[in-house]
Amino acid sequence: QKEVEQDPGPLSVPEGAIVSLNCTYSNSAFQYFMWYRQYSRKGPELLMYTYSSGNKEDGRFTAQVDKSSKYISLFIRDSQPSDSATYLCAMSARLQETSGSRLTFGEGTQLTVNP
Amino acid sequence: GAVVSQHPSRVICKSGTSVKIECRSLDFQATTMFWYRQFPKKSLMLMATSNEGSKATYEQGVEKDKFLINHASLTLSTLTVTSAHPEDSSFYICSAAGQGTYSNQPQHFGDGTRLSIL
Repeated sequence: QKEVEQDPGPLSVPEGAIVSLNCTYSNSAFQYFMWYRQYSRKGPELLMYTYSSGNKEDGRFTAQVDKSSKYISLFIRDSQPSDSATYLCAMSARLQETSGSRLTFGEGTQLTVNP
Repeated sequence: GAVVSQHPSRVICKSGTSVKIECRSLDFQATTMFWYRQFPKKSLMLMATSNEGSKATYEQGVEKDKFLINHASLTLSTLTVTSAHPEDSSFYICSAAGQGTYSNQPQHFGDGTRLSIL
């Protein structure tokens, strides 16, 4: 069983739709949760990160973490064609300490927003 | 802020050539840099973790003599693919974990290097 499970999609939605992306995980040591956006032939770009459980909002993006269920979500409101990309969830037990800052990634969900 | 520059973005070379890829943190000091490999439509696979001034830590199954990593300063790490063969063709991505202002942020990634070995 993988430590982090993410539905690879592909997911196709019309412009303006609300998009819900999710990951589940099995390692209870994870405390930091990230969402990265990766455009084709580019490196991942950090979108959101949260510590422990709760919600975090940034513009059209909302990240939710439910540690009791080991479940994280990213919501995109009023989705735009420019949001078309692969979205990767990532987790770590610690952020910066050398021994613990490695990230565990999900497989990535490929999203297409159609005009 | 938190810009990571990776160079070159694209390399095409003949089998047997050694290729060096540079990863620089432009506006912060990176105590730790990571090197990943990504296959088409797949997630990132961690190859090695490098700390400034010390030897890199390689993941299981990654040949350290094949993929040489040097992290000589707090802003530069290099990955050298030695005697590259077609099976080494891939998308290589670096990331950096900062200190100071960026010590409470996750890794920031470069834009990757697409390596094609003919």
